Amino acid sequence: DVKVTQSSRYLVKRTGEKVFLECVQDMDHENMFWYRQDPGLGLRLIYFSYDVKMKEKGDIPEGYSVSREKKERFSLILESASTNQTSMYLCASSIGLAGNNEQFFGPGTRLTVL
Amino acid sequence: EDQVTQSPEALRLQEGESSSLNCSYTVSGLRGLFWYRQDPGKGPEFLFTLYSAGEEKEKERLKATLTKKESFLHITAPKPEDSATYLCAVQAWGGANSKLTFGKGITLSVRP
Repeated sequence: DVKVTQSSRYLVKRTGEKVFLECVQDMDHENMFWYRQDPGLGLRLIYFSYDVKMKEKGDIPEGYSVSREKKERFSLILESASTNQTSMYLCASSIGLAGNNEQFFGPGTRLTVL
Repeated sequence: EDQVTQSPEALRLQEGESSSLNCSYTVSGLRGLFWYRQDPGKGPEFLFTLYSAGEEKEKERLKATLTKKESFLHITAPKPEDSATYLCAVQAWGGANSKLTFGKGITLSVRP
């Protein structure tokens, strides 16, 4: 089974702090994704990566950056956290262009910014 | 722009009462349509992928079907453990091939 793990289940930070959310997948997947999920808004794509050191903006990249130094690891960075970034953050991975493109999700990190 | 609309937003069923969840979509060229189940406080769990109109897939009490404009998730004789939010997503050909566009989900509650 594909396993996607996220560094924290719950996180509380203060406004202005730099926040790192980490995601690791163990199936040698090419693609990795970061979403946020908010009530009434559904899942929204922040950034994705289709290869090491490659990244693409999703629908709501403002206020976020990402890093992919190794194939299995994809980090989401909030440079200066704000209260409107309080949300559930979900990481996902998929095989890549060659295979079925279903995404497999991690358990999520619920981030609260005070 | 790809769009996914799910209806109804919420559905309450009695145990054993079969029903269907709807996912309507517009996409430039459908590469795949995906169904996920999400339990409260957890990440979505993959259920099915459908690729072409007329295709059907089944898993236990769930059956997913696909037409050129919509997909249905049929739930036969549901049990309380089927209570969850069901998400639909589409993937289009071209551009960022791996990107999914999600609907807002349907929250299903099954009463014993």
